[in-house]
Amino acid sequence: ETGVTQTPRHLVMGMTNKKSLKCEQHLGHNAMYWYKQSAKKPLELMFVYNFKEQTENNSVPSRFSPECPNSSHLFLHLHTLQPEDSALYLCASSQDQASGRYEQYFGPGTRLTVT
Amino acid sequence: GQNIDQPTEMTATEGAIVQINCTYQTSGFNGLFWYQQHAGEAPTFLSYNVLDGLEEKGRFSSFLSRSKGYSYLLLKELQMKDSASYLCAVRGGNNRKLIWGLGTSLAVNP
Repeated sequence: ETGVTQTPRHLVMGMTNKKSLKCEQHLGHNAMYWYKQSAKKPLELMFVYNFKEQTENNSVPSRFSPECPNSSHLFLHLHTLQPEDSALYLCASSQDQASGRYEQYFGPGTRLTVT
Repeated sequence: GQNIDQPTEMTATEGAIVQINCTYQTSGFNGLFWYQQHAGEAPTFLSYNVLDGLEEKGRFSSFLSRSKGYSYLLLKELQMKDSASYLCAVRGGNNRKLIWGLGTSLAVNP
């Protein structure tokens, strides 16, 4: 049990659908992250929230929209996705963003397939 | 820019020792992490190095040489359950961003 949960674990959606991914951490952390993991590519950091404020957006297309209502919850809203967006989406948390020492704890991920 | 290199695949025998290398290029180095990721599962933290030298944690050890931009993860007494992908990640740059390697897929054979 990593203390970070994600729902749903699997999602199949059409290009015109709207869906949301949910992440919850039970570790008392202050930083939360969204990553995209595709085959034969390194983990791609998408968004970072530190103390509920978005601190990083790594040139992510606007069809991905994050939301962080509090330090324990993180959402990724999806709309009009493309087939190349099919990937494993991982949520992670850490004590905070600035401290180099603190490792990130990952959720199990959502396997997204866009048809 | 920042760059991380690690071998794509490695194989080893149960009970043996394997060393997984990671070389990196970054400015403002601020720590190196190793994570383990089993197929279909989340990455899990293994080790953290910020100073030169060897950090030992049970069967796993991690080494760092900042002057050479080099780290390795050493796995002893390999078990079948050690078959996984091992990810090297470096924090660096002006924004202290965490950059990830592609991962090394380790297969442990009986």
